Amino acid sequence: EPEVTQTPSHQVTQMGQEVILRCVPISNHLYFYWYRQILGQKVEFLVSFYNNEISEKSEIFDDQFSVERPDGSNFTLKIRSTKLEDSAMYFCASSGQRGDASGTDTQYFGPGTRLTVL
Amino acid sequence: GNSVTQMEGPVTLSEEAFLTINCTYTATGYPSLFWYVQYPGEGLQLLLKATKADDKGSNKGFEATYRKETTSFHLEKGSVQVSDSAVYFCALRRGAQKLVFGQGTRLTINP
Repeated sequence: EPEVTQTPSHQVTQMGQEVILRCVPISNHLYFYWYRQILGQKVEFLVSFYNNEISEKSEIFDDQFSVERPDGSNFTLKIRSTKLEDSAMYFCASSGQRGDASGTDTQYFGPGTRLTVL
Repeated sequence: GNSVTQMEGPVTLSEEAFLTINCTYTATGYPSLFWYVQYPGEGLQLLLKATKADDKGSNKGFEATYRKETTSFHLEKGSVQVSDSAVYFCALRRGAQKLVFGQGTRLTINP
């Protein structure tokens, strides 16, 4: 069964450093998302991406964050200058197959990348 | 705006007990409703969903019915197992928009 994959599984970085979290969505999906979950809290939406541009973003997704689909298979989340409060589990998700581009079907989540900012 | 409220956890039950986890929502229009499960150390997995009023989603013995009149989507299982121990998230979605999650309910099943 196709699945969303994410690398690395755990990333430790120093405050102020840049990090790039990588995701490989399901191959025929058209909509891509990033969510995050701070330890013990609810899962929060960060950004959605469709047709090579951001379609929606949350208040959390400020100028420190960016997303990119550099090569047609990977989907990355970059945090330019990490802060302590960026420590969280980051989940990538994808949905919407070719031929049914409504985006209304199920979002499939990757296993997450745990980001620890020291 | 759209929001989801789940019953406070944690919930601890004995094996073979009946489970209910309450979920209510606030949304404009007619959202799709979901239950996701997060097993220890893993990511989010879709458990079940319902896309319109009175639909019942079911999977692995779990069920939830989309109740428009009470804006609810309560999760139920008749006989829980130790392997059902996890965190359960109720969520809603309108069209191709983001998922909005509840705060999660941690379920522990004792043998």
